[in-house]
Amino acid sequence: AQSVSQHNHHVILSEAASLELGCNYSYGGTVNLFWYVQYPGQHLQLLLKYFSGDPLVKGIKGFEAEFIKSKFSFNLRKPSVQWSDTAEYFCAVWNSGGYQKVTFGTGTKLQVIP
Amino acid sequence: KAGVTQTPRYLIKTRGQQVTLSCSPISGHRSVSWYQQTPGQGLQFLFEYFSETQRNKGNFPGRFSGRQFSNSRSEMNVSTLELGDSALYLCASSLTDSEGAFFGRGTRLTVV
Repeated sequence: AQSVSQHNHHVILSEAASLELGCNYSYGGTVNLFWYVQYPGQHLQLLLKYFSGDPLVKGIKGFEAEFIKSKFSFNLRKPSVQWSDTAEYFCAVWNSGGYQKVTFGTGTKLQVIP
Repeated sequence: KAGVTQTPRYLIKTRGQQVTLSCSPISGHRSVSWYQQTPGQGLQFLFEYFSETQRNKGNFPGRFSGRQFSNSRSEMNVSTLELGDSALYLCASSLTDSEGAFFGRGTRLTVV
């Protein structure tokens, strides 16, 4: 069974600090990878996605993620966080081999201090 | 275009009752997935429907069921409610795997 690990459960950063949130998955087949964000009181929104091609993908609001197949990782990065980035971030893996099944990580709560 | 719409937003039910939640996907999206979100377990996949057929199912008991109509609208039903079923139930629709899913605001179910 596929699984997704987000090792950082709660991250606190000051504004302008750099961010990297880890995401590792276990699945041997072809996967689609996503990062979702949930701002306080709002619904889940797609931040960025990797389907194929360039392993460095850029998303909205200055976020980017790098797919490293050999490490089964898809870490989320942002060079300089803002207070408005305070939210919960979820990594997700879609199994595109046959059944469209999705597995989410447990989420990382990011708190940015002004 | 309109997003994913879930109704109702909030529900309070008693143990043993059943409940039906509704989801209207984004126009043109034929895939609808359901998730349960709780503080302890995070986001867990319930099932996915595509063109009125259940395409995949997560590890939930048979009390959790769903269906999809010809207009892609979907319903989720939970029978014999238990206190542990209290959660935020999210619906998501997607056009293709590569597009990712668009989520609704969810239905907050409280079982007392």
